[in-house]
Parts: sequence; C-alpha cells; structure tokens
Amino acid sequence: EAGVVQSPRYKIIEKKQPVAFWCNPISGHNTLYWYRQNLGQGPELLIRYENEEAVDDSQLPKDRFSAERLKGVDSTLKIQPAELGDSAVYLCASSLGHSSYEQYFGPGTRLTVT
Amino acid sequence: AQSVTQLGSHVSVSEGALVLLRCNYSSSVPPYLFWYVQYPNQGLQLLLKYTSAATLVKGINGFEAEFKKSETSFHLTKPSAHMSDAAEYFCAVTRGSQGNLIFGKGTKLSVKP
Repeated sequence: EAGVVQSPRYKIIEKKQPVAFWCNPISGHNTLYWYRQNLGQGPELLIRYENEEAVDDSQLPKDRFSAERLKGVDSTLKIQPAELGDSAVYLCASSLGHSSYEQYFGPGTRLTVT
Repeated sequence: AQSVTQLGSHVSVSEGALVLLRCNYSSSVPPYLFWYVQYPNQGLQLLLKYTSAATLVKGINGFEAEFKKSETSFHLTKPSAHMSDAAEYFCAVTRGSQGNLIFGKGTKLSVKP
C-alpha cells in the first residue's frame, strides 16, 4: 500500500513569490493534516480536514496561507506571498480518524525562501 | 492546555547500551501520549502510544515507554541500542480522545559503534 505522497520534495523560491504543496493521503483515510516543522522543532499543526471540511484551521496564518481538499482526497497548501520566516518543512499526514488513531506522515516538502 | 517537554536535545549512547529518552507532559485532562521517530529526510513514524490502557506500552523496534501519572512522565527506553536507532525522536500529547497532537522539540539520538 502506498504511503502519504507529497510533492515537491524541495522548493527554493524568492520572498514574495507564491508556492504550493500537494499531498495525496493513504487511500481511505478521511482525516488529513498539514504541519509545519521549523528547524530544531517538532511539527506544529496548521490545518486539519475531516473529508472535505476544514475542522481546525486556528493555527493557519490566513493572511497568506490557504488550503483546500477538493473531493475529500488530495490536498493543496498554498503560501502567497512567501516570507523568509516561512522556510521550514511542510508535512502532510493522514489517518482513519482523529486523535487516538495513528497518523501516517509523508516525507515532507522542504521550503527555502531566499 | 497540553504541552510536552523533552529533556535533552541530543543524546549519545554506545551500541548495545540502554537508551533512555525523557518526556514530561502537562495536561489538564487525562492525556493520550505518543512517541514518533523521524529518520533524516523522512516523515514521522509512530513508535508507540498510550491511550489510558496498560501503563507500560510496547512499541516497534524493541522500544517501550511507561506512563507515570505521579511524575507526569512518559519516558522512552530500549534495553540495547542499535546503530539503526540513530534518528530524532518526538514525544507528543493530545487532549484525551479529542484534540490535536502537540509535539515536543525532539531529541536527536546518536549511536556510537
């Protein structure tokens, strides 16, 4: 069974440019998460989806970040415009349900903003 | 609010030695606790989890952790380190059966031959 797929794996952009990350979760997983992992830190949740619905986006900086999960399967996270402080690894995870269910993580997208 | 503190950002052990990675949590409700491992340039993988059943939890790759409510701890141990255990380890907590994962800052484990 394929794991969580993310693309691209690496992205280098200049500040003020837009960038998008794509995630395809494990088949059948209803819950999808986007995390940001800064250097030397643990992942921090940006947004959680239950099927198509964003049920927790309280940590998503909505002035520049947006996300969508059309048809409740794959998802896209966008930053526009990017800032230097957005340099981080963006992780996508999926699970059968929330909280006590195991989350399966993708390999992440390493974003560098110059 | 839930939080996690991992003592020691770097731990180094010799191959065959005991591995002990420390995690203390803060939670206003009975927590669920998790240990994840992250190998370089990879996502996180679940090692084990505590969800209010047995306090001694056994996970993959020979790791185990014990939930101690009186000490608010959930330390990760392995009797004998292997070179392949070198990775970064994250402790995480949720608000019982609800809530999102709150991760610690991680502990990088090095294993010396």
